[in-house]
Amino acid sequence: RKEVEQDPGPFNVPEGATVAFNCTYSNSASQSFFWYRQDCRKEPKLLMSVYSSGNEDGRFTAQLNRASQYISLLIRDSKLSDSATYLCVVDMKTSYDKVIFGPGTSLSVIP
Amino acid sequence: DAGVIQSPRHEVTEMGQEVTLRCKPISGHDYLFWYRQTMMRGLELLIYFNNNVPIDDSGMPEDRFSAKMPNASFSTLKIQPSEPRDSAVYFCASSPGTGGSPLHFGNGTRLTVT
Repeated sequence: RKEVEQDPGPFNVPEGATVAFNCTYSNSASQSFFWYRQDCRKEPKLLMSVYSSGNEDGRFTAQLNRASQYISLLIRDSKLSDSATYLCVVDMKTSYDKVIFGPGTSLSVIP
Repeated sequence: DAGVIQSPRHEVTEMGQEVTLRCKPISGHDYLFWYRQTMMRGLELLIYFNNNVPIDDSGMPEDRFSAKMPNASFSTLKIQPSEPRDSAVYFCASSPGTGGSPLHFGNGTRLTVT
C-alpha cells in the first residue's frame, strides 16, 4: 500500500461548482498534514495546513479524520484559476520530519 | 529572502554522462529534501537531510545516485552514470522543521538524458 493515496482524477467541473478531494495515509503516527497546489511545470506551493479541528481559508476547507486516516479538501465556488493539481502531503514525523507527497489530483475548472 | 535556489534550470545530457544538480536552501532552515517528479510516479522523496546530516536515503533509486550536503547552505545530487530513465524534474525543498512547518520548493531542474 502506498503511504499517501489520492484519486488522480481528472476532475472537470464548471465554474462555480463545489468539488471535494480525498486522501488517505497509511502511517497512523503521522503528525502534520497539508494540501499543496502545483501548476503545470511549476514547483508545488503550500495551499493550506490541515488541523485536527478542521480549518477554512476563504473558499477552501480542509478536514482531518485521524481515526480513518483520511484528509479532505473542499473547494467552493470554483474559479478558472483553481485549475491545477492538488497534492495531499503527510509529515510522518518520528524522530525527524519525513514529508511524503501523494500522487496528486488534477482539477480543471471549465467556463 | 531569495527562496530555495536550484541550478541548472534545465540539463540535457547523453546517457553515461555525470550529472550534478545543485541546491541552496533558505537560510536558517534545518531540513533539506530532494524529490524527483515524473508523470508516472509523481513526486518521490529521494533523500533528506537534517542539519547537513543525511537522515533517510531509502528513496534513492540505486547506487548511481548520491547526495551530499557539505554545509548548511549547499547540497548536490549527483547521477553517475546517467540513463534515459533518469529524465525527470528534480526538486529541492527546505523547511525549518519545527512541528508542521511547510516545505519551500526551488524551481526545479528539468533533466533530459538522451
